[in-house]
Amino acid sequence: GAVVSQHPSRVICKSGTSVKIECRSLDFQATTMFWYRQFPKQSLMLMATSNEGSKATYEQGVEKDKFLINHASLTLSTLTVTSAHPEDSSFYICSAALGGSGGTRTRTDTQYFGPGTRLTVL
Amino acid sequence: GENVEQHPSTLSVQEGDSAVIKCTYSDSASNYFPWYKQELGKRPQLIIDIRSNVGEKKDQRIAVTLNKTAKHFSLHITETQPEDSAVYFCAARAGGTSYGKLTFGQGTILTVHP
Repeated sequence: GAVVSQHPSRVICKSGTSVKIECRSLDFQATTMFWYRQFPKQSLMLMATSNEGSKATYEQGVEKDKFLINHASLTLSTLTVTSAHPEDSSFYICSAALGGSGGTRTRTDTQYFGPGTRLTVL
Repeated sequence: GENVEQHPSTLSVQEGDSAVIKCTYSDSASNYFPWYKQELGKRPQLIIDIRSNVGEKKDQRIAVTLNKTAKHFSLHITETQPEDSAVYFCAARAGGTSYGKLTFGQGTILTVHP
């Protein structure tokens, strides 16, 4: 259990365009989803915390108007990078934390990561 | 906020040797400490975790120890194999809700030579 998918896996876009990345929890309901950005050879940096049905909480230094997050259901969160620029090129990874009972194999405090989206802005 | 320091940044061992990676954290209220393994271009995968009410946890060749007083925790891999080569991240979760955010260490590139 606890499978998280992300789409697309790779995207190349022109500078100034917007890109939407989807994160889905496939076999559990995710009360909370997290969005991270990872530059080459660096650690995961949390961008924002997304709770279903409410506004996302952004980390300091992350522009909420540039990185739009929507968590419309317990299984889907989306990140839209608006007016993308080359410096936005990075590996974007989502994670999902379980909400509810979950059973024996999926625990409530573990974050399960998606496969990531490689964004390249030309 | 929470700050997690991880050492070493790179670690090279011979197959069969043990590897130890250490992390320190700053927030004494942190109560959950997972370790993730990430292969190049792939997602981080949870390999072991420990909660603040436990001092040590072991799963086959992998163990984690936690010293709450000193605010540090370590990952121990015994009998290393080439497939253990990857980047390892420690993380700490602040106290409070179960869905609190994780703060990650800088990562350790582990290379196991055959």
